[in-house]
Amino acid sequence: QKEVEQNSGPLSVPEGAIASLNCTYSDRGSQSFFWYRQYSGKSPELIMFIYSNGDKEDGRFTAQLNKASQYVSLLIRDSQPSDSATYLCAVNMGGNKLVFGAGTILRVKS
Amino acid sequence: DAGVTQSPTHLIKTRGQQVTLRCSPKSGHDTVSWYQQALGQGPQFIFQYYEEEERQRGNFPDRFSGHQFPNYSSELNVNALLLGDSALYLCASSRYRTSGGETQYFGPGTRLLVL
Repeated sequence: QKEVEQNSGPLSVPEGAIASLNCTYSDRGSQSFFWYRQYSGKSPELIMFIYSNGDKEDGRFTAQLNKASQYVSLLIRDSQPSDSATYLCAVNMGGNKLVFGAGTILRVKS
Repeated sequence: DAGVTQSPTHLIKTRGQQVTLRCSPKSGHDTVSWYQQALGQGPQFIFQYYEEEERQRGNFPDRFSGHQFPNYSSELNVNALLLGDSALYLCASSRYRTSGGETQYFGPGTRLLVL
């Protein structure tokens, strides 16, 4: 079992729709979770982080965490073509070591 | 406020050679982590430096080594390059916390091609 799993996609959504990206992790002791966006040929850019169970909203983005189910998700409302990228889920597994999923490719079609 | 910087941006080497990559962390950050990202994969943790010492290490061979300087900048050295070392090498900076979990910010990366 991989430590952090994501559906590789591509996930295709029409412009203006909600994109839902999901991630599961194996280490029950993990305390902090991050979503990064990566455009082709570029480095990962932090979108959101979440530490507590529940929802955390920042503009069009909402991160959701359920530690009991070992599940973290990212919702993107009013998706725009500029949101088309690979979204990486990262889990801190102790001492600032981030373990990443392989990423989900999102395509927003206008 | 300068972000994380890395040099060089691109590098081409041949098998067996050695390479040194450099990173300067974001202002106010004292911890540097290095990651390797192969095409189509997520970044993989190589190691982390704080107070000029290697604090954590991922599953990478001893050919991968590093250093941190008093000004918090860092180098990643890879010896005896293999074709499989071709990847994007990412540096991430953060502020050290004993409990971990501090947000990491990535530099633009160095793309290494081994021929």
